[in-house]
Amino acid sequence: QVQLVASGGGVVQPGRSLRLSCAASRFTFSNHGMHWVRQAPGKGLEWVAVIYYDGSNQYYADSVKGRFTISRDNSKNTLYLQMNSLRAEDTAVYYCARDIKSHYLDYWGQGIRVTVSS
Amino acid sequence: EIVLTQSPATLSLSPGERATLSCRASQSISSYLAWYQQRPGQAPRLLIYDASNRATGIPARFSGSGSGTDFTLTISSLEPEDFAVYYCQQRSNWPLTFGGGTKVEIK
Repeated sequence: QVQLVASGGGVVQPGRSLRLSCAASRFTFSNHGMHWVRQAPGKGLEWVAVIYYDGSNQYYADSVKGRFTISRDNSKNTLYLQMNSLRAEDTAVYYCARDIKSHYLDYWGQGIRVTVSS
Repeated sequence: EIVLTQSPATLSLSPGERATLSCRASQSISSYLAWYQQRPGQAPRLLIYDASNRATGIPARFSGSGSGTDFTLTISSLEPEDFAVYYCQQRSNWPLTFGGGTKVEIK
């Protein structure tokens, strides 16, 4: 069974940075695009970013463009999200998810909580 | 940005009843729509992709239909585990967007 395990969340002050990781296993990581999706407390799902299977392309939501960077290391089967200049509105549970069929999300990690607060 | 509007916001039904959920796109997205289920405290689960194709392991009581701007998720007979929140998602244009969700609750 596909496994996606996120780490790196926590409490951070506004304006600071945080890097999330997502360790993938039990599938060929280098064959799949990967996404980050977030969910603010009590709210719906918000897509954040995608990176293609080979890292050749990345796309971002307008709300994070210029502040967040998605990257991957196919040799380590790991996805990353570097989050800079964090704001209170970035507070959410962040999910990593696998891409299938050109941008549907078929397997999701357990979610990692990020709280931006002074 | 393509806006997806889901209705109703909440659907109150009893086990065994039929559930019909709607998702409307702000512009045509062909059949590039998926449905997800999210139970409390859990990650979302892919149910339907390309409007009408069931994902691996999804029971036949879940079905999707529609194209263009209007889409429907139907649960033919609600099981206790189906009471959850359902989201639609489009992949026609960047950025990917989700609808606001429909909560299916026990009446």
